[in-house]
Amino acid sequence: QLLESGGGLVQPGGSLRLSCAASGFLFGRYAMTWVRQAPGKGLEWVSVISGSGDSTDYADSVKGRFAISRDNSKNTVYLQMNSLRVEDTALYFCAKDRGYTSGWFSDLWGQGILVSVSS
Amino acid sequence: EVVLTQLPATLSLSPGDRATLSCRASQNINNFLAWYQQKPGQAPRLLIYDASNRATGIPARFSGSGSGTDFTLTITSLEPEDFAVYYCQQRGNWPPLSFGGGTKVEIK
Repeated sequence: QLLESGGGLVQPGGSLRLSCAASGFLFGRYAMTWVRQAPGKGLEWVSVISGSGDSTDYADSVKGRFAISRDNSKNTVYLQMNSLRVEDTALYFCAKDRGYTSGWFSDLWGQGILVSVSS
Repeated sequence: EVVLTQLPATLSLSPGDRATLSCRASQNINNFLAWYQQKPGQAPRLLIYDASNRATGIPARFSGSGSGTDFTLTITSLEPEDFAVYYCQQRGNWPPLSFGGGTKVEIK
Protein backbone atom coordinates (compact mmCIF):
# COMPACT_ATOMS: atom_id res chain seq x y z
CA GLN A 1 0.00 0.00 0.00
CA LEU A 2 1.11 3.55 -0.73
CA LEU A 3 -0.30 6.59 1.03
CA GLU A 4 0.55 10.09 -0.13
CA SER A 5 0.33 13.19 2.03
CA GLY A 6 1.46 16.80 2.09
CA GLY A 7 -0.56 18.25 -0.75
CA GLY A 8 -2.62 21.41 -0.66
CA LEU A 9 -2.99 24.93 -1.95
CA VAL A 10 0.13 27.04 -2.40
CA GLN A 11 0.90 30.34 -4.09
CA PRO A 12 3.10 30.53 -7.18
CA GLY A 13 6.73 30.52 -6.13
CA GLY A 14 5.96 28.57 -2.98
CA SER A 15 7.09 25.15 -1.80
CA LEU A 16 5.53 21.88 -0.72
CA ARG A 17 6.92 18.54 0.33
CA LEU A 18 4.97 15.45 -0.58
CA SER A 19 5.44 12.22 1.35
CA CYS A 20 4.53 8.68 0.38
CA ALA A 21 4.43 6.03 3.09
CA ALA A 22 4.79 2.45 1.89
CA SER A 23 3.74 -0.80 3.50
CA GLY A 24 3.34 -4.43 2.55
CA PHE A 25 6.57 -4.87 0.60
CA LEU A 26 10.33 -4.62 1.11
CA PHE A 27 10.57 -0.91 0.42
CA GLY A 28 14.33 -0.64 0.02
CA ARG A 29 14.37 -3.23 -2.77
CA TYR A 30 12.41 -1.12 -5.22
CA ALA A 31 12.79 2.13 -7.08
CA MET A 32 10.01 4.63 -6.50
CA THR A 33 8.40 7.04 -8.94
CA TRP A 34 6.24 10.15 -8.89
CA VAL A 35 3.72 10.70 -11.68
CA ARG A 36 1.29 13.60 -11.95
CA GLN A 37 -1.99 14.25 -13.71
CA ALA A 38 -3.28 17.75 -14.33
CA PRO A 39 -7.06 18.12 -14.04
CA GLY A 40 -8.74 16.39 -16.98
CA LYS A 41 -5.39 15.55 -18.60
CA GLY A 42 -3.16 12.53 -19.10
CA LEU A 43 -0.33 11.11 -17.05
CA GLU A 44 3.06 12.83 -16.82
CA TRP A 45 6.14 11.11 -15.41
CA VAL A 46 7.87 13.41 -12.90
CA SER A 47 10.75 11.69 -11.12
CA VAL A 48 12.28 8.39 -10.06
CA ILE A 49 14.69 7.29 -7.33
CA SER A 50 16.52 3.97 -7.13
CA GLY A 51 16.09 1.56 -4.25
CA SER A 52 19.26 2.75 -2.56
CA GLY A 53 18.53 6.41 -3.21
CA ASP A 54 21.83 6.84 -5.07
CA SER A 55 20.26 7.50 -8.46
CA THR A 56 17.59 10.04 -9.33
CA ASP A 57 16.07 11.40 -12.55
CA TYR A 58 13.61 14.13 -13.38
CA ALA A 59 11.36 15.33 -16.16
CA ASP A 60 12.70 18.46 -17.81
CA SER A 61 9.58 20.34 -16.65
CA VAL A 62 10.59 19.98 -12.98
CA LYS A 63 14.37 19.64 -13.14
CA GLY A 64 16.09 22.11 -10.83
CA ARG A 65 12.87 22.79 -8.91
CA PHE A 66 11.85 19.39 -7.56
CA ALA A 67 13.94 16.93 -5.55
CA ILE A 68 13.12 13.32 -4.85
CA SER A 69 14.51 11.51 -1.84
CA ARG A 70 13.77 8.47 0.31
CA ASP A 71 14.27 7.22 3.83
CA ASN A 72 14.38 3.44 3.75
CA SER A 73 14.29 3.27 7.55
CA LYS A 74 10.88 4.95 7.43
CA ASN A 75 9.61 3.27 4.24
CA THR A 76 8.91 6.71 2.84
CA VAL A 77 9.68 8.57 -0.37
CA TYR A 78 9.50 12.34 -0.66
CA LEU A 79 9.08 14.94 -3.36
CA GLN A 80 10.30 18.41 -2.41
CA MET A 81 8.69 20.90 -4.76
CA ASN A 82 10.11 24.43 -4.90
CA SER A 83 9.40 27.43 -7.11
CA LEU A 84 5.96 26.05 -7.82
CA ARG A 85 4.11 27.25 -10.91
CA VAL A 86 0.45 27.28 -11.82
CA GLU A 87 1.17 24.51 -14.34
CA ASP A 88 2.34 22.23 -11.51
CA THR A 89 -1.28 21.95 -10.38
CA ALA A 90 -2.08 18.25 -10.54
CA LEU A 91 -2.89 15.05 -8.73
CA TYR A 92 0.46 13.56 -7.74
CA PHE A 93 0.77 9.79 -7.61
CA CYS A 94 3.47 7.85 -5.83
CA ALA A 95 4.27 4.47 -7.38
CA LYS A 96 6.44 1.46 -6.68
CA ASP A 97 8.55 0.26 -9.58
CA ARG A 98 9.12 -3.35 -10.56
CA GLY A 99 12.89 -3.18 -10.07
CA TYR A 100 15.64 -1.88 -7.79
CA THR A 101 17.33 0.40 -10.28
CA SER A 102 15.58 3.25 -12.02
CA GLY A 103 13.80 2.74 -15.33
CA TRP A 104 11.19 0.10 -14.58
CA PHE A 105 7.43 0.26 -14.91
CA SER A 106 5.25 0.92 -11.88
CA ASP A 107 3.16 -1.93 -10.52
CA LEU A 108 1.68 -0.39 -7.37
CA TRP A 109 0.20 3.08 -7.13
CA GLY A 110 -1.10 5.30 -4.38
CA GLN A 111 -4.44 7.07 -4.68
CA GLY A 112 -2.82 10.42 -5.31
CA ILE A 113 -2.58 13.76 -3.54
CA LEU A 114 -3.77 17.05 -4.95
CA VAL A 115 -1.43 19.99 -5.34
CA SER A 116 -3.00 23.31 -6.35
CA VAL A 117 -0.85 26.29 -7.24
CA SER A 118 -2.83 29.50 -7.38
CA SER A 119 -2.73 33.08 -6.18
CA GLU B 1 12.60 12.37 -26.10
CA VAL B 2 10.39 9.48 -27.16
CA VAL B 3 6.87 10.59 -28.06
CA LEU B 4 4.11 8.02 -27.78
CA THR B 5 1.01 8.49 -29.94
CA GLN B 6 -2.13 6.59 -28.98
CA LEU B 7 -4.90 5.99 -31.46
CA PRO B 8 -7.77 6.32 -31.49
CA ALA B 9 -8.38 8.92 -28.81
CA THR B 10 -11.80 7.41 -28.16
CA LEU B 11 -13.12 3.95 -28.93
CA SER B 12 -16.88 3.38 -28.71
CA LEU B 13 -17.71 -0.27 -28.25
CA SER B 14 -20.26 -2.58 -26.65
CA PRO B 15 -19.72 -5.20 -23.94
CA GLY B 16 -18.50 -8.39 -25.57
CA ASP B 17 -16.74 -6.54 -28.40
CA ARG B 18 -13.07 -6.87 -29.15
CA ALA B 19 -11.01 -3.74 -28.46
CA THR B 20 -7.77 -2.97 -30.28
CA LEU B 21 -5.74 -0.02 -29.03
CA SER B 22 -2.62 1.31 -30.72
CA CYS B 23 0.50 3.00 -29.37
CA ARG B 24 3.21 4.24 -31.72
CA ALA B 25 6.64 5.39 -30.57
CA SER B 26 8.62 8.11 -32.31
CA GLN B 27 11.74 5.91 -32.21
CA ASN B 28 12.68 2.30 -31.59
CA ILE B 29 12.02 1.30 -27.98
CA ASN B 30 12.50 -2.46 -28.49
CA ASN B 31 9.83 -4.13 -26.34
CA PHE B 32 10.02 -1.67 -23.44
CA LEU B 33 6.39 -0.65 -23.38
CA ALA B 34 3.69 -0.92 -20.73
CA TRP B 35 -0.07 -0.48 -20.72
CA TYR B 36 -2.07 0.95 -17.81
CA GLN B 37 -5.80 1.19 -17.16
CA GLN B 38 -7.26 4.15 -15.30
CA LYS B 39 -10.86 4.47 -14.16
CA PRO B 40 -12.38 7.79 -13.03
CA GLY B 41 -11.18 8.80 -9.59
CA GLN B 42 -8.71 5.92 -9.39
CA ALA B 43 -5.00 5.43 -9.75
CA PRO B 44 -3.61 3.78 -12.87
CA ARG B 45 -3.23 0.01 -12.82
CA LEU B 46 -0.45 -1.83 -14.62
CA LEU B 47 -1.87 -4.29 -17.15
CA ILE B 48 1.01 -5.23 -19.44
CA TYR B 49 4.76 -4.70 -19.14
CA ASP B 50 7.56 -5.16 -21.65
CA ALA B 51 5.02 -5.26 -24.48
CA SER B 52 3.43 -8.62 -23.85
CA ASN B 53 3.71 -9.70 -20.19
CA ARG B 54 0.55 -9.55 -18.13
CA ALA B 55 0.98 -8.06 -14.69
CA THR B 56 -0.07 -10.00 -11.62
CA GLY B 57 -3.81 -10.57 -11.41
CA ILE B 58 -4.63 -9.25 -14.88
CA PRO B 59 -7.24 -11.34 -16.71
CA ALA B 60 -6.25 -13.27 -19.80
CA ARG B 61 -8.60 -11.23 -22.01
CA PHE B 62 -5.94 -8.50 -21.92
CA SER B 63 -2.97 -9.06 -24.21
CA GLY B 64 -0.19 -6.93 -25.59
CA SER B 65 1.94 -7.25 -28.68
CA GLY B 66 4.46 -5.36 -30.76
CA SER B 67 8.07 -4.26 -30.75
CA GLY B 68 10.17 -1.46 -32.13
CA THR B 69 7.74 1.40 -32.71
CA ASP B 70 4.28 -0.18 -33.04
CA PHE B 71 2.37 -1.73 -30.17
CA THR B 72 -1.14 -3.03 -29.60
CA LEU B 73 -3.29 -3.73 -26.56
CA THR B 74 -6.12 -6.14 -27.25
CA ILE B 75 -9.09 -6.84 -25.02
CA THR B 76 -10.73 -9.90 -26.53
CA SER B 77 -14.23 -9.48 -25.06
CA LEU B 78 -15.04 -6.29 -23.20
CA GLU B 79 -16.47 -6.63 -19.73
CA PRO B 80 -18.44 -3.74 -18.17
CA GLU B 81 -15.49 -2.97 -15.87
CA ASP B 82 -13.11 -2.56 -18.82
CA PHE B 83 -14.55 0.78 -19.89
CA ALA B 84 -11.81 3.16 -18.87
CA VAL B 85 -8.85 5.15 -20.17
CA TYR B 86 -5.77 3.24 -21.27
CA TYR B 87 -2.26 4.68 -21.34
CA CYS B 88 0.96 3.34 -22.78
CA GLN B 89 4.37 4.17 -21.28
CA GLN B 90 7.88 3.52 -22.54
CA ARG B 91 11.20 2.82 -20.85
CA GLY B 92 13.25 2.12 -23.95
CA ASN B 93 14.89 5.52 -24.09
CA TRP B 94 14.62 7.59 -20.96
CA PRO B 95 14.41 9.95 -19.15
CA PRO B 96 11.65 10.72 -19.42
CA LEU B 97 9.65 7.53 -19.03
CA SER B 98 7.03 9.12 -21.25
CA PHE B 99 3.33 8.29 -21.45
CA GLY B 100 1.02 8.38 -24.42
CA GLY B 101 -1.99 10.67 -24.44
CA GLY B 102 -4.43 7.87 -23.66
CA THR B 103 -7.32 6.07 -25.35
CA LYS B 104 -10.75 6.23 -23.77
CA VAL B 105 -12.81 3.09 -24.24
CA GLU B 106 -16.43 4.10 -23.84
CA ILE B 107 -19.72 2.29 -24.00
CA LYS B 108 -21.42 2.61 -27.37
